[in-house]
Amino acid sequence: GAVVSQHPSWVICKSGTSVKIECRSLDFQATTMFWYRQFPKQSLMLMATSNEGSKATYEQGVEKDKFLINHASLTLSTLTVTSAHPEDSSFYICSVPAGGTASYEQYFGPGTRLTVT
Amino acid sequence: AQSVAQPEDQVNVAEGNPLTVKCTYSVSGNPYLFWYVQYPNRGLQFLLKYITGDNLVKGSYGFEAEFNKSQTSFHLKKPSALVSDSALYFCAVTFPSTSGTYKYIFGTGTRLKVLA
Repeated sequence: GAVVSQHPSWVICKSGTSVKIECRSLDFQATTMFWYRQFPKQSLMLMATSNEGSKATYEQGVEKDKFLINHASLTLSTLTVTSAHPEDSSFYICSVPAGGTASYEQYFGPGTRLTVT
Repeated sequence: AQSVAQPEDQVNVAEGNPLTVKCTYSVSGNPYLFWYVQYPNRGLQFLLKYITGDNLVKGSYGFEAEFNKSQTSFHLKKPSALVSDSALYFCAVTFPSTSGTYKYIFGTGTRLKVLA
């Protein structure tokens, strides 16, 4: 399957600062990418759908001003957590649809662990 | 609300024994069903899916799952567990899409521990 990378793999930041997480599709172009948040012992919760060339689509309850998403190119989407607080500490995962008809699979990045102190 | 349930947080099984990881879903319409596995420090990896056709689907690493519409279940199975199967397993559903954008609803995950 396709390779999806995330950078950084882990980051520690102070409360009130912003942090940017990158998601790259390394071997194919992606007009859509998904951002998930994973809490310990909980499911992956879809935060938003990143769309190349247009605004991201956020799930209900996700603050768009806090979690800024930019789909800069067909291989890169970024998630910026603005004014981070300890409750934003989590594991953030991106994915890329496999594409093609009748596939419905997704390729997932390895995740980024964010700790806000 | 649409949801996916994995009733067991953890499943322990002895190496060589058969394993089952359970998944049930509560959704409207006809969903597509998936199993993914997550190893430490690695992204979720696709194991298998049910879209249509034979209710028993076979996937990677010897895993299989049976789609049971009447029981709204999609349990993951393997006849003989390996220690290397120890990981976190997620069940997910999605729905047919004409836009090319299909969202997943994930279960809460089941940690499988295979004991040597």
